[in-house]
Order: sequence, then C-alpha cells, then structure tokens
Amino acid sequence: EAQVTQNPRYLITVTGKKLTVTCSQNMNHEYMSWYRQDPGLGLRQIYYSMNVEVTDKGDVPEGYKVSRKEKRNFPLILESPSPNQTSLYFCASRNQGVGQDTQYFGPGTRLTVL
Amino acid sequence: EDQVTQSPEALRLQEGESSSLNCSYTVSGLRGLFWYRQDPGKGPEFLFTLYSAGEEKEKERLKATLTKKESFLHITAPKPEDSATYLCAVQEGRGSTLGRLYFGRGTQLTVWP
Repeated sequence: EAQVTQNPRYLITVTGKKLTVTCSQNMNHEYMSWYRQDPGLGLRQIYYSMNVEVTDKGDVPEGYKVSRKEKRNFPLILESPSPNQTSLYFCASRNQGVGQDTQYFGPGTRLTVL
Repeated sequence: EDQVTQSPEALRLQEGESSSLNCSYTVSGLRGLFWYRQDPGKGPEFLFTLYSAGEEKEKERLKATLTKKESFLHITAPKPEDSATYLCAVQEGRGSTLGRLYFGRGTQLTVWP
C-alpha cells in the first residue's frame, strides 16, 4: 500500500530540547516536503527536497532543519524548539509524472512545545 | 501578502444545492494548481492537478476549472459526505525547476441533509 508515515503522531516537549520527526515514503518519489498547519493560517511549506541531498527553503524555514540522505526518508529536525513551533506538522511525498502531479500527505504530527 | 486566496472561507449548502469555490493566485510562473480535500484531524487528500488555462477535470460530483488567475471547484448536487475543508495550492516555477508550493487557507464546506 502506497503511504507516507510520520512518527511520532503526538509529541509534547519543552523549550530547547532537540527533537526529530521522522517521515518515510514507500513510493520511490523524488520530491518530499514538510508543512505546518495553524488555525487561520492554513498550510505553510517549511522545506522541500527535489531529490537526495537536494533541499530548499519553503515559506517558513526558520527554526527547522531537514536532511535527505536517502530517497525514502526526510526527517524534520527542531534543534531548539520554542512555543511558537507548537503546530500540526505534515510530511508529503510527490509523484511528478508528466500530466499527473500528485502529492500524498502523511497523517500528521501534533507537536506541543511548553 | 497571500499568494493564494480562497473564497468563501465557509460555505453551508443544503444537500443537492450546487455551488462553486474560488481560488485566486498571484504566483508567477505557475507550474500547477492543486485541489485537496481535508477532513478534521487528517492529512489533505489529493483531488486534482490543473496546469493551463482552460483545463478542466472531473471526479464524481466535483469539477475543477482553471483560468489565468483563478480556479473554481464546482460541486454539483452535494451530499453530506462532501463536508470537509477544500484546499487550493499553487506551484511556483523557478527556472527549469520547481520553487515553493503555496496553499490557500481553505474553504470549509458543510452540507446538511
């Protein structure tokens, strides 16, 4: 079954404690990205990756890091989380076939930073 | 300034009452416009991709159309199970590659029996 998995699904942490949210896809897609979703603001892109070792900033990259060492995994790293990073995070994987660009989202990670 | 604007923010329809949702954008170098459906607490679910003005796509009761500066999602004879938030996203081009993907804030659709 084609899917995007994220872990953990829920996380409560404290300010300054480094954390990583993992994302994995089994569709051999080259393009992956991370989003955060906040009430009233909608989905905003944090980082995206066109392929292994190729990453670029999205709309709101401050306070986040990513890495793409292998095609299937795209972890999101918060080196020093702050309360304003409390949000719902989605990882997505994208099939960019000609005329059939389709993006699949993971189930989401709800992060609370105290 | 928002790159993608969706209207209305919320829409209540009676079952069978057709309507349209709007998505207007200012992103330059459009490489695709996407429509998604999102249910509460879940990730967005892909519906359509449109690439050029004049293009149309259909799926069950939904039909998406694209002009040079906006897209419409037409809902024909909606049912209560169509209740969800509908999201529009626009892919920016950056030369020969892709740039950022910008989402609108969504239209929350409620269909009552």
